[in-house]
Amino acid sequence: DQQVKQNSPSLSVQEGRISILNCDYTNSMFDYFLWYKKYPAEGPTFLISISSIKDKNEDGRFTVFLNKSAKHLSLHIVPSQPGDSAVYFCAATISSNTGKLIFGQGTTLQVKP
Amino acid sequence: DSGVTQTPKHLITATGQRVTLRCSPRSGDLSVYWYQQSLDQGLQFLIQYYNGEERAKGNILERFSAQQFPDLHSELNLSSLELGDSALYFCASSLGRQGFYYGYTFGSGTRLTVV
Repeated sequence: DQQVKQNSPSLSVQEGRISILNCDYTNSMFDYFLWYKKYPAEGPTFLISISSIKDKNEDGRFTVFLNKSAKHLSLHIVPSQPGDSAVYFCAATISSNTGKLIFGQGTTLQVKP
Repeated sequence: DSGVTQTPKHLITATGQRVTLRCSPRSGDLSVYWYQQSLDQGLQFLIQYYNGEERAKGNILERFSAQQFPDLHSELNLSSLELGDSALYFCASSLGRQGFYYGYTFGSGTRLTVV
């Protein structure tokens, strides 16, 4: 049962343009969401998070949007840079529970110069 | 360097064998998490330890076991290995029991290949 889904395995954008990565979830108990970035031969690194009491969180070039009614979140990267090329994972958790994160399958982003 | 150390980085072993993966958490972190990433899959939660005690368990196979030692390092033991156990195994650590608020820190993983 895939509770967190990233339906686009890959995305290619031009440098300077916006990258939009999408994530859907099925468990309405999830109330905290995170995005991780992963380069080859490295572990995932934390990027940005959002609580379910918010619908937007911004950190520099990265913004995460949460639509609770649609059970959908998205990560916007503006402007995209070649160094952003990586695999992006969204993750979700129930904050009253343990620290367990449920991850999506990942989306490979390629930013072309 | 994330501060979370995993050894070995690569491991090749035969079916039926047993291996031990080791994780040293970031200095001061009390929680350790183990995740498995199979080919083209997301990270699957295996188990969490907090200050030496098991705190949460995911879909961890009975052939797998883990523990966290008094010095807070953790080991993941995989036995009776099958071809399907080939995967990247990640360890992560956080200060508290719910480290997700700040995104816990991952190591670079151990790539296990079962032949």
